[in-house]
Amino acid sequence: QKEVEQNSGPLSVPEGAIASLNCTYSDRGSQSFFWYRQYSGKSPELIMFIYSNGDKEDGRFTAQLNKASQYVSLLIRDSQPSDSATYLCALTGGGNKLTFGTGTQLKVEL
Amino acid sequence: DTAVSQTPKYLVTQMGNDKSIKCEQNLGHDTMYWYKQDSKKFLKIMFSYNNKELIINETVPNRFSPKSPDKAHLNLHINSLELGDSAVYFCASSQDRGLAGDNEQFFGPGTRLTVL
Repeated sequence: QKEVEQNSGPLSVPEGAIASLNCTYSDRGSQSFFWYRQYSGKSPELIMFIYSNGDKEDGRFTAQLNKASQYVSLLIRDSQPSDSATYLCALTGGGNKLTFGTGTQLKVEL
Repeated sequence: DTAVSQTPKYLVTQMGNDKSIKCEQNLGHDTMYWYKQDSKKFLKIMFSYNNKELIINETVPNRFSPKSPDKAHLNLHINSLELGDSAVYFCASSQDRGLAGDNEQFFGPGTRLTVL
């Protein structure tokens, strides 16, 4: 079992819809969870991090964490074509070592 | 103005050659990293240095040798390059504030290495 699992997609949503990206992980000791966005040919950039169970909102983005079920998700409201990218889920066990999933490709269609 | 920079951006070389990639950050961060992203876009950590000290050393062939002359620089030297080394290599840096989750890693633009 991979440490961090994501559906590779592509996930296609119409403009203005809510995009829901999911990630499951195997290590119950994982403490902090991150969502990175990576445009094609570019470097990853952090969107949000979360470490407490529940929801965390930042603008159009909401991260949700459920440690009991070992999943973390990212909701993007009012999706825009500029949101089209690969979204990488990552986690740490409390130190600096980030373990990444393989990413979900999101396509927002006009 | 670039926070994390890498050189070169592209590197094309023959099997068996030795090459280096350089990374510099001007963010004042204490920790720097090397990641490898393969053709399937899987991003995996290779090494991490904190204040010039190696703190993360993943299962990487010993043909790969990182060097940190100071906390703002982390270079990657690769000996006897193989076809499987072809990938995008990202440098990153972070400032560990000791708070859960609050150690955002800033990535450089990447170096696309192609071994022929």
